[in-house]
Amino acid sequence: EADIYQTPRYLVIGTGKKITLECSQTMGHDKMYWYQQDPGMELHLIHYSYGVNSTEKGDLSSESTVSRIRTEHFPLTLESARPSHTSQYLCASGGQGVPYGYTFGSGTRLTVV
Amino acid sequence: DAKTTQPNSMESNEEEPVHLPCNHSTISGTDYIHWYRQLPSQGPEYVIHGLTSNVNNRMASLAIAEDRKSSTLILHRATLRDAAVYYCILIGGGADGLTFGKGTHLIIQP
Repeated sequence: EADIYQTPRYLVIGTGKKITLECSQTMGHDKMYWYQQDPGMELHLIHYSYGVNSTEKGDLSSESTVSRIRTEHFPLTLESARPSHTSQYLCASGGQGVPYGYTFGSGTRLTVV
Repeated sequence: DAKTTQPNSMESNEEEPVHLPCNHSTISGTDYIHWYRQLPSQGPEYVIHGLTSNVNNRMASLAIAEDRKSSTLILHRATLRDAAVYYCILIGGGADGLTFGKGTHLIIQP
């Protein structure tokens, strides 16, 4: 069973629409992350959070925004979707300390038409 | 973050052992060696990690060179379900998140 949940699993949406990708975890992890992955390509970190009210931009510039009002919830929002936003978005969380593993969700595959 | 180098792809037969190499010649003393894998259409999953000593768990074994400049992930008896992209990642004390490279695409032949 998954400890980190992403919804929706697939989303096809028209250009200009506002969308929010949901990510929730039940492990009590403070650290959460959003990655973007194009088909057959590497994962790139776009946002991360150290805890409630903490958000930082990752290595890859993204037009999306994130919020962290609750520990377990880390949604990603695109105010106006464009075809260039078509990609897979993966959410992850990490426990305390470096050796701990990171847990990933199954991802949201977004297609903007 | 220190970089890792992995072969782009490897092929093996079902029920045979698989040795996936990773070079990390610029590893620092505080870097942990982590392995993740990504099955088709799924998010990455943790496989194993180590610092200096070899490690075993139910999924795999990790053999770390004495100078820590390379490591090998060992799948003792590969199955078709092990076909995935395997990532070798270094995580240091000051780093945050995971920096993914291209990984090794493991193909398992029946």
